[in-house]
Amino acid sequence: QSALTQPPSASGSPGQSVTISCTGTSSDVGGYNYVSWYQQYPGKAPKLMIYEVNKRPSGVPDHFSGSKSGNTASLTVSGLQTEDEADYYCSSYAGSNNLVFGGGTKLTVL
Amino acid sequence: QVQLQESGPGLVKPSETLSLTCAVSDYSISSISSDYYWGWIRQPPGKGLEWIGSIYHSGSTYYSPSLKSRVTISLDTSKNQFSLKLSSVTAADTAVYYCARGKVGALFDYWGQGTLVTVSS
Repeated sequence: QSALTQPPSASGSPGQSVTISCTGTSSDVGGYNYVSWYQQYPGKAPKLMIYEVNKRPSGVPDHFSGSKSGNTASLTVSGLQTEDEADYYCSSYAGSNNLVFGGGTKLTVL
Repeated sequence: QVQLQESGPGLVKPSETLSLTCAVSDYSISSISSDYYWGWIRQPPGKGLEWIGSIYHSGSTYYSPSLKSRVTISLDTSKNQFSLKLSSVTAADTAVYYCARGKVGALFDYWGQGTLVTVSS
């Protein structure tokens, strides 16, 4: 299984919206509604932000949202805040109890 | 609030076996709930996350195809912890290793702080 494809970087100004894509195949992203997104600050453990494509765990701000179309999932951060600057990783179930992560996207708030 | 803590040697010699343990607090890893499992994920310096494998309370294990031949994950219910062994390590195995609680839906909801393991002679 290959890593999911994410853009290396994304950026936006405070208050703007940014969308990060996560492209896989019909064997992972496209085949299951089990896409998750994680936020990671430097030197810290990842934090679950979105699961099952578009569900937010308790405590995650509602300006984070997820969606999926075909083999591509997306994370949208609306109303960008300075504290949203971090690395973001997608992951997907890949069948047969396997899981695959994306390469990560560094989000910069200008 | 579930807490996880990795422990183990920070330096391993090439060709040897990397061994890490994850101690779990405030949740019993032997719980028969089928909703949860336990996993290991690693992150080479400056790179992305890589799933290593997962284990269920039943002891069933699932490993990344790329690491399957070298990985063993096991449970120690008496100590409420689970372990990772990675054999025949090389410099490419240098990474921060995280343990985490997995949940049905292929997500990890609680993570340890991570531990850096360097492979070097």
